[in-house]
Amino acid sequence: RKEVEQDPGPFNVPEGATVAFNCTYSNSASQSFFWYRQDCRKEPKLLMSVYSSGNEDGRFTAQLNRASQYISLLIRDSKLSDSATYLCVVIRLSGSARQLTFGSGTQLTVLP
Amino acid sequence: DTEVTQTPKHLVMGMTNKKSLKCEQHMGHRAMYWYKQKAKKPPELMFVYSYEKLSINESVPSRFSPECPNSSLLNLHLHALQPEDSALYLCASSQVGGGASKTYEQYFGPGTRLTVT
Repeated sequence: RKEVEQDPGPFNVPEGATVAFNCTYSNSASQSFFWYRQDCRKEPKLLMSVYSSGNEDGRFTAQLNRASQYISLLIRDSKLSDSATYLCVVIRLSGSARQLTFGSGTQLTVLP
Repeated sequence: DTEVTQTPKHLVMGMTNKKSLKCEQHMGHRAMYWYKQKAKKPPELMFVYSYEKLSINESVPSRFSPECPNSSLLNLHLHALQPEDSALYLCASSQVGGGASKTYEQYFGPGTRLTVT
């Protein structure tokens, strides 16, 4: 089983739609969680951190459920510019180092 | 300033060449990372440096040799690569410290697109 599993997508949604992505992780020792966004042929860019209490940044809401070991990202009122691949990221301690694992990514296309 | 820079942007090399990829950050981060990303796949961790010391090597072949000359610079020396090593090579950096319970987000450079012929 992969350490981080993510919705395979692709998601094609109309402008203005609400779309949700989920990721599950297998290692209960995982400590920190993030969502990154990657545009075609560009580097991943941090979108937001994910906390158990949930956090919101404008149209984006991220949630962590430690008991069920999943994280989610909700995008409201989708814009054309939201089209990208969304990657969940899980960080855990590996010895004295922090090890980051990416999910496989979910491709989102917002259609006019 | 949350910028990580990488040079070159593109690199084409033969299987017998020796080349180096360079990464630089001036955010005061003491952890730096190399990732390899193939098309339509997520980045895969190769190496982690923490306080200029190699802390993780994800069983990367010896034809890839990392080097961290100081806290701002990270190099990846390439020698005798194979065509399947063609990929986007991403550098990232992050803060460290704050105890075992604290982890920090990583900031990525734009990558070097490597083609091995």
